[in-house]
Amino acid sequence: GNSVTQMEGPVTLSEEAFLTINCTYTATGYPSLFWYVQYPGEGLQLLLKATKADDKGSNKGFEATYRKETTSFHLEKGSVQVSDSAVYFCALSDHGGANNLFFGTGTRLTVIP
Amino acid sequence: GAVVSQHPSRVICKSGTSVKIECRSLDFQATTMFWYRQFPKQSLMLMATSNEGSKATYEQGVEKDKFLINHASLTLSTLTVTSAHPEDSSFYICSARDPGSGGSYNEQFFGPGTRLTVL
Repeated sequence: GNSVTQMEGPVTLSEEAFLTINCTYTATGYPSLFWYVQYPGEGLQLLLKATKADDKGSNKGFEATYRKETTSFHLEKGSVQVSDSAVYFCALSDHGGANNLFFGTGTRLTVIP
Repeated sequence: GAVVSQHPSRVICKSGTSVKIECRSLDFQATTMFWYRQFPKQSLMLMATSNEGSKATYEQGVEKDKFLINHASLTLSTLTVTSAHPEDSSFYICSARDPGSGGSYNEQFFGPGTRLTVL
């Protein structure tokens, strides 16, 4: 079946620190992979995505590379800001036609000045 | 980007009553909408997939008679929690798929969620 495992939080970093949030997946086919971000009081927003192996998704300084050999899609950012404080969800979408999303448990990031 | 709204954002009800949550796509037509439930410190769990004009498809373990879903138009889906009990208290999130977002993956746009508390 399809599942996503991501590192448990919460994660607290100082401003300008390097961020890594680990995400690994299991899937029956060739999924697309996503990172969603949920800011306080808001709905989930798509942060970045990758649809095939070795693709790199990037947005707002965040990036993640689709690693088929390690079934991973780790999220990284070189220098976090206070405004990056949010909950980050790793997710996959199957390619069985339904495009349903399977989410990880979310990682809460707090960036302190 | 596309916007999805939910109403209400927060609701408190008594045990045994029914609660309706609305999900609207504001600037696109969504043939498919999804309903998720999010428990504290846990992932979003897909409850059901709602297609306009047809019956919803429920995930295993979700009681269709308890969680009634209606997708009467291309911009509105409703989730009714019938005879609510304290264990139904949760954060309910909807999403709408935009068929115009292109590619092999039609992006889902999420609403801000509804916090349900059953006393």
